[in-house]
Amino acid sequence: QITLMESGPTLVKPTQTLTLTCTFSGFSLTTNGVGVGWIRQPPGKALEWLALIYWDDDKRYSPSLKSRLTITKDTSKNQVVLTMTNMDPVDTGTYYCARPLYSGNYPYFDYWGQGTLVTVSS
Amino acid sequence: SYELTQPPSVSVSPGQTARITCSGDALPSQYGFWYQQRPGQAPVLVIYTDSERPSGIPERFSGSRSGTTVTLTISGVQAEDEADYYCQSTVSSGPYVVFGGGTKLTVL
Repeated sequence: QITLMESGPTLVKPTQTLTLTCTFSGFSLTTNGVGVGWIRQPPGKALEWLALIYWDDDKRYSPSLKSRLTITKDTSKNQVVLTMTNMDPVDTGTYYCARPLYSGNYPYFDYWGQGTLVTVSS
Repeated sequence: SYELTQPPSVSVSPGQTARITCSGDALPSQYGFWYQQRPGQAPVLVIYTDSERPSGIPERFSGSRSGTTVTLTISGVQAEDEADYYCQSTVSSGPYVVFGGGTKLTVL
């Protein structure tokens, strides 16, 4: 059974750095082809892809947020960590981690965590 | 930046057919994927690789493509299908993931 769960602060202040952890089970990030991604959703708005990390430590970032994002993995703990610097109120939203599958080289997401709501406010 | 365009809303009566479109210039060379998101819940994959249905997704959900548009069709819409629907594709230069703006399906 595949599960993913996000954890981290529910409230951060503007300019602070957000650190979110995705803890997963039912698959391993040491297996060829496996990855974990992050997607966020501001309240009442659309999904926005943020980042992906693969079993071989290849990393992909949203071009619009690349300068603020870092994604890392800890295979011994089955965790993926996303950091986002210089948080702003517009970054308020629900942050999801998800497992990608692939059509050719292109990812889509078949398992999602429940999401964690992050509010950016002073 | 690359965009996928969806209608903000679609309304249908129970038992009718709902069609939700997603347009993007790169779609002729990239696959389309669809997610259903009910209020307060995480998205659920309902169509992958344009027209494939994951295990457990009802047969009334289907997908198709034509040129720069992919379409999610829900035949015999039920009240439980009322949700937001998002298309997703990729930008091959990354490859980067991109989502459409979402369509709210209302079952009248």
